[in-house]
Amino acid sequence: DAGVTQSPTHLIKTRGQQVTLRCSPKSGHDTVSWYQQALGQGPQFIFQYYEEEERQRGNFPDRFSGHQFPNYSSELNVNALLLGDSALYLCASSLQRNPYEQYFGPGTRLTVT
Amino acid sequence: RKEVEQDPGPFNVPEGATVAFNCTYSNSASQSFFWYRQDCRKEPKLLMSVYSSGNEDGRFTAQLNRASQYISLLIRDSKLSDSATYLCVVRDTGRRALTFGSGTRLQVQP
Repeated sequence: DAGVTQSPTHLIKTRGQQVTLRCSPKSGHDTVSWYQQALGQGPQFIFQYYEEEERQRGNFPDRFSGHQFPNYSSELNVNALLLGDSALYLCASSLQRNPYEQYFGPGTRLTVT
Repeated sequence: RKEVEQDPGPFNVPEGATVAFNCTYSNSASQSFFWYRQDCRKEPKLLMSVYSSGNEDGRFTAQLNRASQYISLLIRDSKLSDSATYLCVVRDTGRRALTFGSGTRLQVQP
């Protein structure tokens, strides 16, 4: 049973560039949430996707956008990268009927220089 | 004020010791509570849910005090493998997101 997978594992970008991160949820899960974890902090909620729609959004600017595909996989896009966007980006999958149990992927470590 | 507050530690304890972490949350409407464990440079993993009546899972005991809005985690007979960061997590009524504390770092020493 495949768990949550994310790609790429690591990424280095320059300020002003755009980045796309990818996530495949755990088999059978239909909901994907994205979190940003800065060094020394807990993960912060970015947004959640279900049925290919953004269902809830955290306190992040519009530079952060996402998408969910019919196969439940998801992408996180960040435009106009800032140095402060450097973080571990975590994807969590769950079932819509049981949102309490979220399973996290290994994350993508983004460094903006 | 942060929504979920934890002492960052580190807590340095010898093997076999008992250690307790507390966490406070600000939203009285919070509905669900969890402890997650995160190893260095890895993803968070659910350790246990926290129920109003308190619950135990082996060496781990979690308790919830709704009146005082705090959650605790007790680890008995600490093992070297317990060394990690422990994240306190709440979910508010009507919200889909999990709100994480910054974590408490535990280092168990031989």
